[in-house]
Amino acid sequence: DAKTTQPPSMDCAEGRAANLPCNHSTISGNEYVYWYRQIHSQGPQYIIHGLKNNETNEMASLIITEDRKSSTLILPHATLRDTAVYYCIVGISYGQNFVFGPGTRLSVLP
Amino acid sequence: NAGVTQTPKFRVLKTGQSMTLLCAQDMNHEYMYWYRQDPGMGLRLIHYSVGEGTTAKGEVPDGYNVSRLKKQNFLLGLESAAPSQTSVYFCASSYSWGTLSNQPQHFGDGTRLSIL
Repeated sequence: DAKTTQPPSMDCAEGRAANLPCNHSTISGNEYVYWYRQIHSQGPQYIIHGLKNNETNEMASLIITEDRKSSTLILPHATLRDTAVYYCIVGISYGQNFVFGPGTRLSVLP
Repeated sequence: NAGVTQTPKFRVLKTGQSMTLLCAQDMNHEYMYWYRQDPGMGLRLIHYSVGEGTTAKGEVPDGYNVSRLKKQNFLLGLESAAPSQTSVYFCASSYSWGTLSNQPQHFGDGTRLSIL
């Protein structure tokens, strides 16, 4: 079973920031938080990951709470092409504990 | 640099037929994985490999076999296809563990398999 809880769907207006929450209250000390997205039926696309510090790259920002029990993925200026299912995964990237749950379906609206 | 390449992209089989899905990666990754994704659901791990010549079972291994004869290739076999194996199959790879254990998995574009 997935170790994360995400809302099933969210809407966001084009050009606005999209904030996608994820709860992972049972995260272990050596486990990372990874975010992927899947557009239509394409392969999952890696977005960002972090351990305990906030992270930023060209695609998004990841905010992890101090107790590491939750995190938020931020797409600063959402576009229509960001419409996708977003997956929050907790674990280490190798082996069989890299579990994809149902994710959050983000719809960016014009 | 192609990343992770899966062949074929589409296939239709009859019940009882066999086939092999091929995954190739050019990133020199140690770890490779096979997942399946059914409509409206997340990915489920079938088998994975931690290096050339090694394989291990994932969450849903029944009805599938795998082989990792070369580091860059990971094969998924269906010996006797069943309609329940109709799905989209994704392959992924990641760098070795240790000091780089946080490196993300990189995915191919999938193989859409229908079993009639």
